Amino acid sequence: GNSVTQMEGPVTLSEEAFLTINCTYTATGYPSLFWYVQYPGEGLQLLLKATKADDKGSNKGFEATYRKETTSFHLEKGSVQVSDSAVYFCALSDQGSGNTPLVFGKGTRLSVIA
Amino acid sequence: GAVVSQHPSWVICKSGTSVKIECRSLDFQATTMFWYRQFPKQSLMLMATSNEGSKATYEQGVEKDKFLINHASLTLSTLTVTSAHPEDSSFYICSARDRRAEAFFGQGTRLTV
Repeated sequence: GNSVTQMEGPVTLSEEAFLTINCTYTATGYPSLFWYVQYPGEGLQLLLKATKADDKGSNKGFEATYRKETTSFHLEKGSVQVSDSAVYFCALSDQGSGNTPLVFGKGTRLSVIA
Repeated sequence: GAVVSQHPSWVICKSGTSVKIECRSLDFQATTMFWYRQFPKQSLMLMATSNEGSKATYEQGVEKDKFLINHASLTLSTLTVTSAHPEDSSFYICSARDRRAEAFFGQGTRLTV
């Protein structure tokens, strides 16, 4: 079945440091890939997505590229801020299927210190 | 973008009482909604898939009589935690996917028993 593996945290960085959170997946077919962010006490918000190979999703300075050859979707940001402290989830879904849930990684907690 | 509204955002109840959590898709119709449970510092655990007009599909290990799900309309699904006990304390999150199959999440409900 489909699965997502992401690096375990917690990750602690200083402000303005470079961020990489690794995510790899196993899937049949051609899934869509997502990164969600969860701030303390809140639900999940879509951060970015990519629907096909070589697509790059980007939002709020975060980027991730859909790499089919390495089955990866690593999240990067060039300069993190304290406000980026949150839990980040990598996820995948079957293309075009609204009746199946997303498959999530275990989440990576990021703490950014000033 | 599409919005999923979940209510209440937090609830405290006595052991043995029942608690209902509502999940509404505000600007799209959702034939399918999903209910997740999240333990502290852990990932989301899918509890059940809620289908409009039919019975929910529960994941293995989730008690359907304990966690009653009703999806009576295309915009509303409810999760009722029956006879709640302290071990049911958790963060519950609903999700719905729109016509483009993009997933949207409610704000979550913190249940403390």
